[in-house]
This record gives sequence, C-alpha cells and structure tokens, in this order.
Amino acid sequence: DVKVTQSSRYLVKRTGEKVFLECVQDMDHENMFWYRQDPGLGLRLIYFSYDVKMKEKGDIPEGYSVSREKKERFSLILESASTNQTSMYLCASSFEGTGMNTEAFFGQGTRLTVV
Amino acid sequence: DQQVKQNSPSLSVQEGRISILNCDYTNSMFDYFLWYKKYPAEGPTFLISISSIKDKNEDGRFTVFLNKSAKHLSLHIVPSQPGDSAVYFCAASAPNTGNQFYFGTGTSLTVIP
Repeated sequence: DVKVTQSSRYLVKRTGEKVFLECVQDMDHENMFWYRQDPGLGLRLIYFSYDVKMKEKGDIPEGYSVSREKKERFSLILESASTNQTSMYLCASSFEGTGMNTEAFFGQGTRLTVV
Repeated sequence: DQQVKQNSPSLSVQEGRISILNCDYTNSMFDYFLWYKKYPAEGPTFLISISSIKDKNEDGRFTVFLNKSAKHLSLHIVPSQPGDSAVYFCAASAPNTGNQFYFGTGTSLTVIP
C-alpha cells in the first residue's frame, strides 16, 4: 500500500513562529506536492518538487518555502506564520508523467492553526 | 485563473439513486482526469480516472464520462450509498507542465438514507 505520512495531524502555532511540516512517502515517487485546502477554494498548490533538491512554485508560494534533501521527504516551511496561513495542509506524491498509474496519493493532512 | 471548475458546491441525493457530479475545464492540453473523494479531517483518496483518449471509464458503482468537445467530465455513482457522502474533487493534468495536478473547488455530496 502506498503510504504518504505527514508528521502531525494538528498543530497550533503562534504568529511569527517558524513552522515545519514534514512529509514522507514510501513509494519511490519522483514528484511530491504541498497543497492547502480552504473552504470554497478547493486544493491550491503551494510548491511541488520533481526531483531531489528541485522545487517549483505553485499557485500560492508566498510566505512558504520547501526543502527536498531526500527523495522520500518533502518539507514545507512557513518562515513567519501568520493567521491567514491557518488551513489544512496536504502533502501528496506521484510518479512522473501523466496517464494511468500517475495519480497523486495524499497524506492524512495537517490542520494548522496560527493564533 | 481556475482551469478546473466545479460549479455545484453541494448536492443531495436519496440513497439508491444516481449521483451526478460535474466538472468543467478550460485547458485543452489536459490529457488525464481524476476524481478524488475526501472525508473531513482526512486526505483525499483517489477514486477513478480517465485518459483523454477515452470517453468513459467504469469501476464498480463509479463511472466517469469525458466530453472533450465540451471540455466537461462527470462522475456517476449508482446506486448512491450513505457512505458516499463526502467532498468530491475533480483534477486534471497535462504533459509538460511539471506533473502538476489542477484541482476543482469540490462538490459536497450528501446521500440521504
């Protein structure tokens, strides 16, 4: 079974804190993604990575950075947390390309609250 | 600019009836389409997909239809069951876009027992 594991289910952080969200996948997928989900806005892509040390901005990268030092691990960093970053964060991974067997597999999500 | 749109935020259906969830897209380069199901406080799970070379794909109670000329796809669930109550997201991907998946805003399906 494909497993994408996010380090925390729930987090509460203070405004201005630096926040690390960790994600690990065990399927040897080339691609990894970070999304946030907000009511009425669906899933919005923050950053993605198609290889170790490679990263690409998604639709809403402002206020975030990422790190991929190993193929199986993709970290999302909130440099200085703000209340508008309160959200559900979802990590996903997939094989490269499009078409059958390239669907993304998601972790269980991290509900982050910034107070 | 939303390239994948789900215009119905919610849908209620009686148990045993058909649920039809709709999705429209604007990018003619999309060649692979997916549906995901999401329960509250969980990550989305992959449900079914279709390649642009097909117009229908079926998996048990779930069937996805693709109308390329209309840039429209739909998910049919027959018969609907209370456990199908969840938020459904459609997604699409295109070659040479860095393997991004573009998601719609979701439709919340409620199946009434």
